[in-house]
Amino acid sequence: GAVVSQHPSRVICKSGTSVKIECRSLDFQATTMFWYRQFPKQSLMLMATSNEGSKATYEQGVEKDKFLINHASLTLSTLTVTSAHPEDSSFYICSARVGNRGYGYTFGSGTRLTVV
Amino acid sequence: GENVEQHPSTLSVQEGDSAVIKCTYSDSASNYFPWYKQELGKGPQLIIDIRSNVGEKKDQRIAVTLNKTAKHFSLHITETQPEDSAVYFCAASKEGGGADGLTFGKGTHLIIQP
Repeated sequence: GAVVSQHPSRVICKSGTSVKIECRSLDFQATTMFWYRQFPKQSLMLMATSNEGSKATYEQGVEKDKFLINHASLTLSTLTVTSAHPEDSSFYICSARVGNRGYGYTFGSGTRLTVV
Repeated sequence: GENVEQHPSTLSVQEGDSAVIKCTYSDSASNYFPWYKQELGKGPQLIIDIRSNVGEKKDQRIAVTLNKTAKHFSLHITETQPEDSAVYFCAASKEGGGADGLTFGKGTHLIIQP
């Protein structure tokens, strides 16, 4: 149980275009989802917390107008990288909390974004 | 905010030996401490976790210990096998009430030498 499906797994886009990444909870409802970014050989850094039916909360230094988050249902959160640039190339990973407390977090398989 | 330090950054052990990875955290309000294994190009997989009301937890070859007073926790892998080779991350968060994400350590590249 507690599976999070993330798509696409890999995407290559041209500089200046936008890319949407989807994160779905398959067998549970996720009121809150989290988006992380991981650069090569580095750790996962929390970008934003996605809340169903309300605005996302962004970590310091993360541009909310560049990384648009939509959490329109209890099973789907999307991250759109707008006007992508080569420096946005990274591994993006979503996560969902399982239950309101005490059940940990489950992660998607990640999306490798390459901006050329 | 929370800060998690992880050591060592690289650990090489002989197959069959034990491996220990250590983490410290800064926020005394953190109460949930998971460990993740990440293979190249994949998302992190939970291998074990511990909450602040417990000092030790074991699952077959894997164990985690927590010292709340010192604010540190450790991952112990015994009888290491080649498939244990991966990057391991510790993390910390506050469960309950709010919806906090995880703060991760910088990771440990575990290499199991045959």
